[in-house]
Amino acid sequence: GAVVSQHPSRVICKSGTSVKIECRSLDFQATTMFWYRQFPKKSLMLMATSNEGSKATYEQGVEKDKFLINHASLTLSTLTVTSAHPEDSSFYICSARAPDRASNTGELFFGEGSRLTVL
Amino acid sequence: AQSVAQPEDQVNVAEGNPLTVKCTYSVSGNPYLFWYVQYPNRGLQFLLKYITGDNLVKGSYGFEAEFNKSQTSFHLKKPSALVSDSALYFCAVRGPYNFNKFYFGSGTKLNVKP
Repeated sequence: GAVVSQHPSRVICKSGTSVKIECRSLDFQATTMFWYRQFPKKSLMLMATSNEGSKATYEQGVEKDKFLINHASLTLSTLTVTSAHPEDSSFYICSARAPDRASNTGELFFGEGSRLTVL
Repeated sequence: AQSVAQPEDQVNVAEGNPLTVKCTYSVSGNPYLFWYVQYPNRGLQFLLKYITGDNLVKGSYGFEAEFNKSQTSFHLKKPSALVSDSALYFCAVRGPYNFNKFYFGSGTKLNVKP
């Protein structure tokens, strides 16, 4: 299956600093990538849809200025958590839809996730 | 609106026994349904999907799922559970009108005991 790589897997930062998480599609081009946040009770929340060459589409309630998304190429999307605070500590997972030009029924492939801890 | 429900937070089963992880869905139009598995501190791995065709879908690691339109269900099954199947399982639905958006259930923790 398609491979999505996410880096770093773990990051610890001080409150007030910014952290960048990278998401790469390794063996396919992804015009669209997705960023999810997973809370301690397991549920996955879609934060935003990252679109190559244009602005990201954010879900309701997600702060655009807090979670900056850049999709500079067909294989790379980045999520920057700006001025991080302890409540931003979470598991962030990126994904990309496998290309299926015939029917748009491609499943999502996920990165390994990034555990952010803000002290 | 599209949604899925996983009514069980946790499922316990003995190794070698059959397992079922339940999922019900609510969608507008024809549903595109998926199952994913997540191991601790890892991303989600795709198991199987139903788009159209046979109601019984076979996927990775011996898992299968049965699509039941009348009951709006898509339960995940495996005839004989392994301890290594212990993980978090997510059901997801993607509607035909916005193929980029996936809606995930709350997840079910599967515990397979030796």
